[in-house]
Amino acid sequence: DSGVTQTPKHLITATGQRVTLRCSPRSGDLSVYWYQQSLDQGLQFLIQYYNGEERAKGNILERFSAQQFPDLHSELNLSSLELGDSALYFCASSVGLATGELFFGEGSRLTVL
Amino acid sequence: AQTVTQSQPEMSVQEAETVTLSCTYDTSENNYYLFWYKQPPSRQMILVIRQEAYKQQNATENRFSVNFQKAAKSFSLKISDSQLGDTAMYFCAFMKHSGGGADGLTFGKGTHLIIQP
Repeated sequence: DSGVTQTPKHLITATGQRVTLRCSPRSGDLSVYWYQQSLDQGLQFLIQYYNGEERAKGNILERFSAQQFPDLHSELNLSSLELGDSALYFCASSVGLATGELFFGEGSRLTVL
Repeated sequence: AQTVTQSQPEMSVQEAETVTLSCTYDTSENNYYLFWYKQPPSRQMILVIRQEAYKQQNATENRFSVNFQKAAKSFSLKISDSQLGDTAMYFCAFMKHSGGGADGLTFGKGTHLIIQP
């Protein structure tokens, strides 16, 4: 158990819909990262937050947004969903910035029908 | 931008054998971290081993060791005395070290390692 909690574990929805994925980092970790894992794109870095502020952005679509709350949990919002958004979405946390070790949650499996 | 290349999509070895997974990367950075992560069928990403680029000594964690060749930008993982539980996808990953932030991990495409009984 990494200490990172993601909900929901599985989610099935329809095209055009909006979903929210939630992540609780390990106790004491200030950084939260979001990754998308799909068969064709592999593991892609989406976005990073540190202590409530956005610190780095990767291949995140404009239809996607995220935030980190004062209690350090984070949410990834996916809107206007398309079939291609079906993927495993991972949250990871670390103590600080660029500390080199990320702890991953079990992921949220999103299926868009 | 950084790239990470794993040239072996799949490997299969017998239990107790030693296996080496290859990874090369491309970067203009001088300070960075390299990692190997394991993703078993449970899909959880588990850190196997980590190497800081400024350290010349190769990292070792029990049966897992790396061969880090900075000039060649190569970072291979050696698993000794392989066990059935080592069956998983293995991802090589890069993270640049910058005091002001990070771009997250850049992952390779992965190597599916199968340990045969």
